[in-house]
Amino acid sequence: GNSVTQMEGPVTLSEEAFLTINCTYTATGYPSLFWYVQYPGEGLQLLLKATKADDKGSNKGFEATYRKETTSFHLEKGSVQVSDSAVYFCALSDYGGSQGNLIFGKGTKLSVKP
Amino acid sequence: DTGVSQDPRHKITKRGQNVTFRCDPISEHNRLYWYRQTLGQGPEFLTYFQNEAQLEKSRLLSDRFSAERPKGSFSTLEIQRTEQGDSAMYLCASSRDPPGDTQYFGPGTRLTVL
Repeated sequence: GNSVTQMEGPVTLSEEAFLTINCTYTATGYPSLFWYVQYPGEGLQLLLKATKADDKGSNKGFEATYRKETTSFHLEKGSVQVSDSAVYFCALSDYGGSQGNLIFGKGTKLSVKP
Repeated sequence: DTGVSQDPRHKITKRGQNVTFRCDPISEHNRLYWYRQTLGQGPEFLTYFQNEAQLEKSRLLSDRFSAERPKGSFSTLEIQRTEQGDSAMYLCASSRDPPGDTQYFGPGTRLTVL
């Protein structure tokens, strides 16, 4: 079945460091791919998405490119801030059966130190 | 756009009791999803409505769980005879068509079963 695997955390970085969180997926068909973020005490928020191969999603300085050949959707940011501390979830939309439910990875906790 | 709301935000109950949660989706969204998130894990799909029709149920949704969406507006999720293993965050999300469109999440209802 469809699945998402993302790098395990926690990840601790200093402010202004480069961030990469790896995400790979297994899917039949052509899913949409998402990164959601969960800040402490808050609900899940969409960070960015890509709907087809080679699309790049971007938001708030974060980027991810839909790579069909490597079945990956790695999240990157060139210079992290303390305010980026959160849990990041990679997800795919499983609409092979037309329901479109999301399949999530386990999440990666990011802590950014000043 | 007032966002997805859920009520209550927290629920503590004793094992064996019944509980009911409510989700109010974004008004023009015809798709509504329920997910469950346990500590340290990503959300897992429970069930999906398109308008008032419940079209998909995960095998995670045991016979003790029932969900409704009368008139295609708000939805309720009921758990009968709660067990300690039901303790989790219950998340609701809504989206427009087509499947694969962005899902917007509510803040969740945290259930603790004593």
